[in-house]
Amino acid sequence: EAGVAQSPRYKIIEKRQSVAFWCNPISGHATLYWYQQILGQGPKLLIQFQNNGVVDDSQLPKDRFSAERLKGVDSTLKIQPAKLEDSAVYLCASSLVLGAPLHFGNGTRLTVT
Amino acid sequence: RKEVEQDPGPFNVPEGATVAFNCTYSNSASQSFFWYRQDCRKEPKLLMSVYSSGNEDGRFTAQLNRASQYISLLIRDSKLSDSATYLCVYSSASKIIFGSGTRLSIRP
Repeated sequence: EAGVAQSPRYKIIEKRQSVAFWCNPISGHATLYWYQQILGQGPKLLIQFQNNGVVDDSQLPKDRFSAERLKGVDSTLKIQPAKLEDSAVYLCASSLVLGAPLHFGNGTRLTVT
Repeated sequence: RKEVEQDPGPFNVPEGATVAFNCTYSNSASQSFFWYRQDCRKEPKLLMSVYSSGNEDGRFTAQLNRASQYISLLIRDSKLSDSATYLCVYSSASKIIFGSGTRLSIRP
């Protein structure tokens, strides 16, 4: 079974620039999550999709972050404009159904300078 | 109060020792519980699900205490390769919440 694919693996940008991350979940997984993990902390949920609908985006900083999953498969997460405190690893995960264990991608390590 | 609380450690124990972590959660409606393992600069990976009756997988034992709202992970005969961060996770009807993790370091 192919795992969750994410790209890019690493990204370095200057503050106020824009950046986008891409995620392809495991085939057939209805639920897709974006997490932000700052060094030394646990993953923090940014947004959760069930198919192409948003289940929870309460912790997404909507003034600068946006995410979509238009066809219920791939997803993109965008930051515009980036701030220094956005430096983190952005993890995408998917699960077969709500409440099932998550499978994570390798993550995108973002550095904002 | 945080939704999920874990002792950050680090726990530094000798190889072969038994070590246990607890994790408390605040949402009594939580339905599913998991332990994930995260190696340095890697993504979290599912270690085991936690069932109400408790469950064991080799050297690992997980317990759930709904009355006191905590879950535990016990590692017996620890190996050097067990060094990692262990993340406590619970899921309710609509969300999955991770703890900050407990760092474990096994020394020779």
